Amino acid sequence: AQSVTQPDIHITVSEGASLELRCNYSYGATPYLFWYVQSPGQGLQLLLKYFSGDTLVQGIKGFEAEFKRSQSSFNLRKPSVHWSDAAEYFCVPYSGGGADGLTFGKGTHLIIQP
Amino acid sequence: DTEVTQTPKHLVMGMTNKKSLKCEQHMGHRAMYWYKQKAKKPPELMFVYSYEKLSINESVPSRFSPECPNSSLLNLHLHALQPEDSALYLCASSQVDLVSYNEQFFGPGTRLTVL
Repeated sequence: AQSVTQPDIHITVSEGASLELRCNYSYGATPYLFWYVQSPGQGLQLLLKYFSGDTLVQGIKGFEAEFKRSQSSFNLRKPSVHWSDAAEYFCVPYSGGGADGLTFGKGTHLIIQP
Repeated sequence: DTEVTQTPKHLVMGMTNKKSLKCEQHMGHRAMYWYKQKAKKPPELMFVYSYEKLSINESVPSRFSPECPNSSLLNLHLHALQPEDSALYLCASSQVDLVSYNEQFFGPGTRLTVL
């Protein structure tokens, strides 16, 4: 079964610093992979998605992620974080097709220090 | 309109009450989902409706009863809930395309407290 591991439960970053959130996947074939963000008091929003092709994908809000098959990773990055980036970030695998539910990773809670 | 709306935003109910959560979308999506999210945990899938038919039930207790009266509406009927059912209930919708990923659009959720 497809699954992901987000090794970091909490990450604290200073405002303006760079960010990398880790996601490792366990899956035989290349999965679809997504990053969702959940800001306090708001719903879940899709940041970016990887299907195939280019391994570096660009998302909204200045985020990007790189798919590395050799490391089974799909880490999320941002060159300079803003206080508004404080949120919960979920890495999500998906097998694709039809109407299937999402199985979320455990999430990483991002704290931004002033 | 790319919005999924959920009502009410907050709900407090006793263990003997009957209440309903409502979800609505007008994006023409034919799949709708209920997720449950406990505090500091990721969302967990409860139900999936595809073309107004229940296609996935993740072994959810019968005190939760979903209903999809039409392609735009999804309800979750609640009866005899337990305090441990207190959580954020999220609704989502998506297209149904058998060959590609269908992005799920999430509503803001209903915060349920069971006393």
